[in-house]
Amino acid sequence: GAVVSQHPSWVICKSGTSVKIECRSLDFQATTMFWYRQFPKKSLMLMATSNEGSKATYEQGVEKDKFLINHASLTLSTLTVTSAHPEDSSFYICSVPHHRGLRFTALHFGNGTRLTVT
Amino acid sequence: QKEVEQDPGPLSVPEGAIVSLNCTYSNSAFQYFMWYRQYSRKGPELLMYTYSSGNKEDGRFTAQVDKSSKYISLFIRDSQPSDSATYLCAMSSYSGGGADGLTFGKGTHLIIQP
Repeated sequence: GAVVSQHPSWVICKSGTSVKIECRSLDFQATTMFWYRQFPKKSLMLMATSNEGSKATYEQGVEKDKFLINHASLTLSTLTVTSAHPEDSSFYICSVPHHRGLRFTALHFGNGTRLTVT
Repeated sequence: QKEVEQDPGPLSVPEGAIVSLNCTYSNSAFQYFMWYRQYSRKGPELLMYTYSSGNKEDGRFTAQVDKSSKYISLFIRDSQPSDSATYLCAMSSYSGGGADGLTFGKGTHLIIQP
């Protein structure tokens, strides 16, 4: 079954509005979650690391005031795209790292959110 | 030179054929190697995970890592139309966890013709 649940799967919004995307870890607690953006025929681009109870860590070139991340509990992280513009249209995917003991094994991904800004 | 190179395809093969997907990389510190499958409009799904060099088999899928050549492969035997998807390789240099050390290829679009 699914390990990571992401909502909504797709959303259309008007330019200037804000959109919130939720990512839930279903099988285990996650102190860290990751947000990716994916363009057609391009690699996954890490946007930010969401940290439970503290500020998110953003990758270079990603505007933290534009992409607000909140990780309020061990199972939920949210990404809010503020004042969305057409260039923000993309496929956003969250992921949760899976560890066995102290060893990181792999990432489990949500099913993504396709955002279209008109 | 990019850290991870992967031919985007598309790669089109007839049903039942053996498929070979590959990635090359430049960072000799990579130790953890993964293959993900991504269907259209879905998130990537972990297929195979290997540590260091060697082979790993899981059903119709075999992952191979050759660290001396910095080359990894995913073989799919008896390919099915349902295997049609984009396959992404990913690799990491440490076990401390986190996506910041994980590098993805661009993905190869695979089409299995019925």
